[in-house]
Formats: sequence, C-alpha cells, structure tokens
Amino acid sequence: KAGVTQTPRYLIKTRGQQVTLSCSPISGHRSVSWYQQTPGQGLQFLFEYFSETQRNKGNFPGRFSGRQFSNSRSEMNVSTLELGDSALYLCASSPTTGNNQPQHFGDGTRLSIL
Amino acid sequence: DAKTTQPNSMESNEEEPVHLPCNHSTISGTDYIHWYRQLPSQGPEYVIHGLTSNVNNRMASLAIAEDRKSSTLILHRATLRDAAVYYCILRDINAGGTSYGKLTFGQGTILTVHP
Repeated sequence: KAGVTQTPRYLIKTRGQQVTLSCSPISGHRSVSWYQQTPGQGLQFLFEYFSETQRNKGNFPGRFSGRQFSNSRSEMNVSTLELGDSALYLCASSPTTGNNQPQHFGDGTRLSIL
Repeated sequence: DAKTTQPNSMESNEEEPVHLPCNHSTISGTDYIHWYRQLPSQGPEYVIHGLTSNVNNRMASLAIAEDRKSSTLILHRATLRDAAVYYCILRDINAGGTSYGKLTFGQGTILTVHP
C-alpha cells in the first residue's frame, strides 16, 4: 500500500514569490492535515481538510492557504514568500477526521527561501 | 490541548530495552495518549496509542499509570534504527472544531542508541 506522497521534495524560491505544494494521501484516506516544521518552532499545525472542506486552521497568516480535491489529494499555497517561511512542510492523512485515528505522514517538502 | 512533559534526551545501548517517560498530569478522561517518532530526514511515524489499559503492537508497548497522569513507551530491544525524536501527544476523543486533524507536538525526547 503506497504511503503519503509529497511533491516536490525540495524547492528553492525567492522572497515575494508564491509556491504550491502537493500531497497525495493514502488510498481511501479522506482527511489531510498540513504541518510546518522549523528548528525554532518545531512542528506546527497549519490546517486540515476533510471531504474538500477545511475543518480546522492553525495560527498562520492568510498567506497560507490550501484546498482538497474530490479524490482527496490536497495542495497548499504560500503567497508572498518570506525568509521565515523556509521550513519542512509535512502532510499527513487519516481515514476520517476522528481524534482516535493515527495520522500517516509523508516525508515532506523542504522549502528554502533566498 | 492538555500538555505533556518529556525529557529532552535519553541514551540507550543497542539490543537493550528503552523506557521513554511522559508526564501528563492534566489529562482528561477522554484524552487518548498517542506516541509518534520522527527519524532523521523523515516525517513523523505513528507508534502506538492507548486510553487506560497497557497496549502492545509490533513496534512497542505503552504502559499507562493507573491514575493516567503518566505513561511510558517501551522499546523492548533498541536498534540503531530506533534513534529518533519521540513525541507523546494527547488527543481528546470528544473534541471537535479546533482539534480536527490536529496533533500538538511538543519538543519530544531525542533518543540516541549506541552500538
């Protein structure tokens, strides 16, 4: 069974640009969550999508957005990139949105802002 | 979210058991205890979770104190591949809204395994 797939694995952008990251969840999983990991702040929750609807959002500015498609694949977008957006962006999926379900993570997209 | 406290780091020797502690004195009756680990250059990996009773799976065992204010993740025979950051996380089974799909990670315990 294929795991969570994130593309691209590495990305380099410059300040002011925008970026779109992609996540394909495990087949049959309908919930997708996104996290940002930095050395200073650790792992922080960005948002969660279930059945194409954003169910929850972390404490990030509006420059961070996402969406989910009917096949459960998800994308996140960051506009007007800042140096502080350099991070590992992780996607996780689970069958539904219940808090008793393990989340399965991809290996992330490492975004570097120059 | 209820908070957890873990030691910053622990060390072990290969093929020896490892006991990773987690304190959660403010745990509520509907909080499940979840453990994840993150190996270098990888995303976090689910390890195990439980509510009240001790739990076992192919990766580890979870021992939960009778008052549920602490728990211990047990790796029965550590291997070099078990070197990772281990996170203890509480998830309220009844919470909705602002907890949908959200794992609240602390700093975790860095486990070093010596050959």
